Amino acid sequence: AQSVTQLGSHVSVSEGALVLLRCNYSSSVPPYLFWYVQYPNQGLQLLLKYTSAATLVKGINGFEAEFKKSETSFHLTKPSAHMSDAAEYFCAVTDGSGNTGKLIFGQGTTLQVKP
Amino acid sequence: DAMVIQNPRYQVTQFGKPVTLSCSQTLNHNVMYWYQQKSSQAPKLLFHYYDKDFNNEADTPDNFQSRRPNTSFCFLDIRSPGLGDAAMYLCATSRPGQGAVGTQYFGPGTRLLVL
Repeated sequence: AQSVTQLGSHVSVSEGALVLLRCNYSSSVPPYLFWYVQYPNQGLQLLLKYTSAATLVKGINGFEAEFKKSETSFHLTKPSAHMSDAAEYFCAVTDGSGNTGKLIFGQGTTLQVKP
Repeated sequence: DAMVIQNPRYQVTQFGKPVTLSCSQTLNHNVMYWYQQKSSQAPKLLFHYYDKDFNNEADTPDNFQSRRPNTSFCFLDIRSPGLGDAAMYLCATSRPGQGAVGTQYFGPGTRLLVL
């Protein structure tokens, strides 16, 4: 079975500092991997996705993630944090169940950005 | 703009009183999902429709039902809400391609409060 582990339930950075949110996955088949962001009382917004093309994936709002098969990782980074980046971030992997792509989510990481 | 719409955004119901949550989409996606998200937790898939085919998750309580009268609309019915059913309910849609997994796009969610 596939699973996702997000290391660190809370991450705090200063405005302008590097953002690094960690995600490790387990999968017996080539995975599709996603990062979603959730602001308070909102739905999930897709930041970026990996679908076996380029290993470095660029997303919205200056975020990017690198797929590293040898490390089974898909960490999310942003060079310079902005106050508006404060939110909950979820890493997710598909479970390979045909084309419906049932998502397996990590437990989420709350990003705090300090002025 | 094409989107996933959920109504209402906030719903208050009484213990044991049936409640229906609504989701509509203008994306013309053939898969629609319902997730339950409790406070500080990851979304948990309840069920999904692939076109008219209903797919229930094994651990979804019988208290939760769903209807999809057409491509655009999907409803979540909670027959007898308990206090433990208070949560954010998220609707998502996707359109898988041939041999490819479709990305899931989420609505803003409906927050359910059970009194």
